[in-house]
Parts: sequence; C-alpha cells; structure tokens
Amino acid sequence: DAGITQSPRHKVTETGTPVTLRCHQTENHRYMYWYRQDPGHGLRLIHYSYGVKDTDKGEVSDGYSVSRSKTEDFLLTLESATSSQTSVYFCAIRRDRGGSTGELFFGEGSRLTVL
Amino acid sequence: AQSVSQHNHHVILSEAASLELGCNYSYGGTVNLFWYVQYPGQHLQLLLKYFSGDPLVKGIKGFEAEFIKSKFSFNLRKPSVQWSDTAEYFCACFSVNRDDKIIFGKGTRLHILP
Repeated sequence: DAGITQSPRHKVTETGTPVTLRCHQTENHRYMYWYRQDPGHGLRLIHYSYGVKDTDKGEVSDGYSVSRSKTEDFLLTLESATSSQTSVYFCAIRRDRGGSTGELFFGEGSRLTVL
Repeated sequence: AQSVSQHNHHVILSEAASLELGCNYSYGGTVNLFWYVQYPGQHLQLLLKYFSGDPLVKGIKGFEAEFIKSKFSFNLRKPSVQWSDTAEYFCACFSVNRDDKIIFGKGTRLHILP
C-alpha cells in the first residue's frame, strides 16, 4: 500500500462553517495533490504541494486553501463551506522513481457533504 | 492549457466483448500517460502507464494501451471483458519538465452485463 491516509473519511457540515481535510503520508514523498471528484467532471486538481511550505493552485482552487508545514501532512481547508463543495476529495502522492514520472497513488477519499 | 479528453462517458458491454476506450491529450511536448481504474466505492488505482519506449503497454488484468504520438492518443483496450471490469476508468497526462500538474479526463463509466 502507498502509506497514505485521509481524515476524516466522511463529514457532514453546514454552509458557512470551516472544514479541514488532512492527508498524511508515511513515505516522505515531495509531491502531494488534492483532487475533487464529481459526477460528469472526473477528477479536478484543487491544489498541490512540491515541498514543505511550497504549494500551487490547480484548476479549481477558488474557495480552498492548503498548507504543508511538514513533509508528511498536506491539509486542505474550506474557509467557509458552500453546497457546491459537496464532493469526494482525494489526496494523492507522487511516487517518483528515477525522475519525475507523474505516477500517483491515491488515498481512500474523504466524502464531504455541505448542507 | 493542458487537457485530457475521454470520448465515451458511459459504455455498456456484454461479457467477452472487446473494449476500447478513447483518450486524447492536448500537449505538444513530452508526456507520461496513465490509465487509472476506480471500482465502485474505492479509490483510484493505477491500471497501466506509458513513459517511453514501446508504445504498446500492458497493464494489470489483461488491459493494454497504445500511445500514438501523431494522434495525441492513448486508447485503452481489452480483448475480452469480464463482469468484474465494471468500474470507472480515467486517463491522465503528466507533461514532463513543464509543470507538476497531473490532469485527468472526465472518466468513462464501464458497465459489463453478465
């Protein structure tokens, strides 16, 4: 297994509340990614990180922020959740072997429902 | 901007039928290409990958894919599908030496009739 865990796995919250999803890896990989999965849209990149305190935006970053204060943890925060952020969120690590390959290993996903 | 298109959104086949799922990407430089599979209720798992070399790559469970650079395509194939192949399939593209983003297609939901 890739040694990647997400928490919480399920969360129901109300509009306007802050939410933080955590992604934890045990393998010390440099790159970590957050995607959201929605029917008809596939996986869309929210943010990614290329090292401690180094992050960049993806396709759908509005309404989301991220932080990476240590290699093993990549946090995704919804400052004020909206119903449009109801989704399944996947964290992934990029396990580069002998160079940048782009091969990803995914966590189990976090299902977020915003009422 | 880099993008990935999957032509078929929903495919229904009978067991033993042959499968081909289309994938096209829109980046002119060097790319690494992937197919991932997501079984119902599970996370994405790597099915196969292309980095360089032989454009015909083989993955797990009898799947294969062919990289055709002139067509910017990376189609997934399987000669004879099984009921257990029912899943959603995603094509993904990583532009080597350009940026660190890995872009996915919208997915193809495959339903195999027993």
